[in-house]
Amino acid sequence: AQKVTQAQTEISVVEKEDVTLDCVYETRDTTYYLFWYKQPPSGELVFLIRRNSFDEQNEISGRYSWNFQKSTSSFNFTITASQVVDSAVYFCAPGPTGGGNKLTFGTGTQLKVEL
Amino acid sequence: NAGVTQTPKFQVLKTGQSMTLQCAQDMNHEYMSWYRQDPGMGLRLIHYSVGAGITDQGEVPNGYNVSRSTTEDFPLRLLSAAPSQTSVYFCASRGLAQGTDTQYFGPGTRLTVL
Repeated sequence: AQKVTQAQTEISVVEKEDVTLDCVYETRDTTYYLFWYKQPPSGELVFLIRRNSFDEQNEISGRYSWNFQKSTSSFNFTITASQVVDSAVYFCAPGPTGGGNKLTFGTGTQLKVEL
Repeated sequence: NAGVTQTPKFQVLKTGQSMTLQCAQDMNHEYMSWYRQDPGMGLRLIHYSVGAGITDQGEVPNGYNVSRSTTEDFPLRLLSAAPSQTSVYFCASRGLAQGTDTQYFGPGTRLTVL
């Protein structure tokens, strides 16, 4: 079974600030995926990134970056120079790499970016 | 390529009514699943399917039925709607092959049961 903790329920920042969303997970699997999804106010779930557990390299995509620390079971997400359009609920979700289909979602972090 | 589509977008039911939420994908994905999203609880898996003719229960299956007669479609049936089933329902699909095994979600169906 997998479990994920997103301890920050809600974060408010002013535009252009950097913000980090924390994710701590538990899993008994030796290999697994870690995902981040974004849910804007319109309600759809948008895939942001998938990380395989054997790949501990950090990743940067534009203003987004992810820090994977397998030793502490954390997969944190940083938005640099935040924008109002980044306002959304962000979900971290571990999932199996094999034939399983189940993603385990945390309760999400509501990010509000204000002018 | 429409991805994952869901109909309807909104639905209001009375307690005891039945209905089917439709989900289709055009990516030839083997895996499909249904989640429900309730405030403060993230998403919870209802049912999933690993291919046509194969379905299995997820975390919260009671009150819901599914079938998978084709690769493309995965409808979710509410047999006798209850107010506790008021929620937003998401369908998702993913492939089996490496590179296609990221789960993509449909736009969601907002269901209210009175």
